[in-house]
Amino acid sequence: QKEVEQDPGPLSVPEGAIVSLNCTYSNSAFQYFMWYRQYSRKGPELLMYTYSSGNKEDGRFTAQVDKSSKYISLFIRDSQPSDSATYLCAMKGSNYKLTFGKGTLLTVNP
Amino acid sequence: KAGVTQTPRYLIKTRGQQVTLSCSPISGHRSVSWYQQTPGQGLQFLFEYFSETQRNKGNFPGRFSGRQFSNSRSEMNVSTLELGDSALYLCASSLLAGDVSEQYFGPGTRLTVT
Repeated sequence: QKEVEQDPGPLSVPEGAIVSLNCTYSNSAFQYFMWYRQYSRKGPELLMYTYSSGNKEDGRFTAQVDKSSKYISLFIRDSQPSDSATYLCAMKGSNYKLTFGKGTLLTVNP
Repeated sequence: KAGVTQTPRYLIKTRGQQVTLSCSPISGHRSVSWYQQTPGQGLQFLFEYFSETQRNKGNFPGRFSGRQFSNSRSEMNVSTLELGDSALYLCASSLLAGDVSEQYFGPGTRLTVT
């Protein structure tokens, strides 16, 4: 079983839709949880960073962590065509190593 | 403030050759991490350098090595290239070692091994 599982999609939604992206993990040592956005031919860009269970909101983005279920989510409200990208979840324990999901390709259609 | 820069952006090499990739971090950042991104394995951590010292290393063979200079610029070297080394190589910089909350990625170097 991989440490981090992420549905690769692709996911296609109409503009204005609510998008839900999810990852599950098996390593209970993970303490820090991140979501990155990666546009084509670019490096990943950190969107959300959290270290506790619960919700964290930043504009149209909400990150949700459920440590008891080993499940994290990213919600995008009022999705825009500019949100079209690959979204990567990543996790980290007390050591240095970031472990990434394989990414979900999202397309928001105008 | 300039972002993380990586050179070259694209590279084509032959099996058995070696390659050196370069990364210039954001000014003032002393930590540089390297990652390999492939469709099959996703993004995987290679190693991290801080103040010219390798702090951490991922699960890659010894053919993958790196170094960091006194100006924080970093190079990554891959010797005896294999077809499976074809990937996007990303570097990321941060002010502090292991600080993923303030880590910024470069655009990557796309390496193709033929």
